[in-house]
Amino acid sequence: GGIITQTPKFLIGQEGQKLTLKCQQNFNHDTMYWYRQDSGKGLRLIYYSITENDLQKGDLSEGYDASREKKSSFSLTVTSAQKNEMAVFLCASSPEGGNQAPLFGEGTRLSVL
Amino acid sequence: SQLAEENLWALSVHEGESVTVNCSYKTSITALQWYRQKSGEGPAQLILIRSNEREKRNGRLRATLDTSSQSSSLSITATRCEDTAVYFCATGTQVVGQLTFGRGTRLQVYA
Repeated sequence: GGIITQTPKFLIGQEGQKLTLKCQQNFNHDTMYWYRQDSGKGLRLIYYSITENDLQKGDLSEGYDASREKKSSFSLTVTSAQKNEMAVFLCASSPEGGNQAPLFGEGTRLSVL
Repeated sequence: SQLAEENLWALSVHEGESVTVNCSYKTSITALQWYRQKSGEGPAQLILIRSNEREKRNGRLRATLDTSSQSSSLSITATRCEDTAVYFCATGTQVVGQLTFGRGTRLQVYA
């Protein structure tokens, strides 16, 4: 079976820092996603990519950059971490077409001091 | 406001009881998915129900979809403590990436 691996699992940063989160999938899925999950809120889409080197903005792209270096990997950069920010960043992937149910990784938990 | 929304913030039941979580949505959809997220894990898909389906089952889980009222329900029979999790509905359209999640309903199953 396949797996989605997110690294790191926990990330503690400082205000103003640039932080990079990584995601790898071995399902050979075409579409990959980055979602942000805040306590008490639904998942919000930051960026998604339908193929290698493609990048599409989601509802929450401001303050983030992303890169689909190859089909199996999709990274997300927080360009300037905000003080007291705390959220879980979830990576997901789905087969071609994108309207199939995405499969999720376990998340990266970010805390900013 | 959310385009997909579960109707209850949280609920609790005793092990063995049945429970239903409801969801309403605001857009035209091609499919609706129910996910479960246990503490410290990513969401895991439970059931995908397409817009031309009215009911879908998966073991102890049963999902319904009513496109006229733009609502869905997820029922769990004979609940177990390991069903304790947050349950999300998510709606999808034909557009890639347009998957909208509700805030989730927190279910606690007590022994």
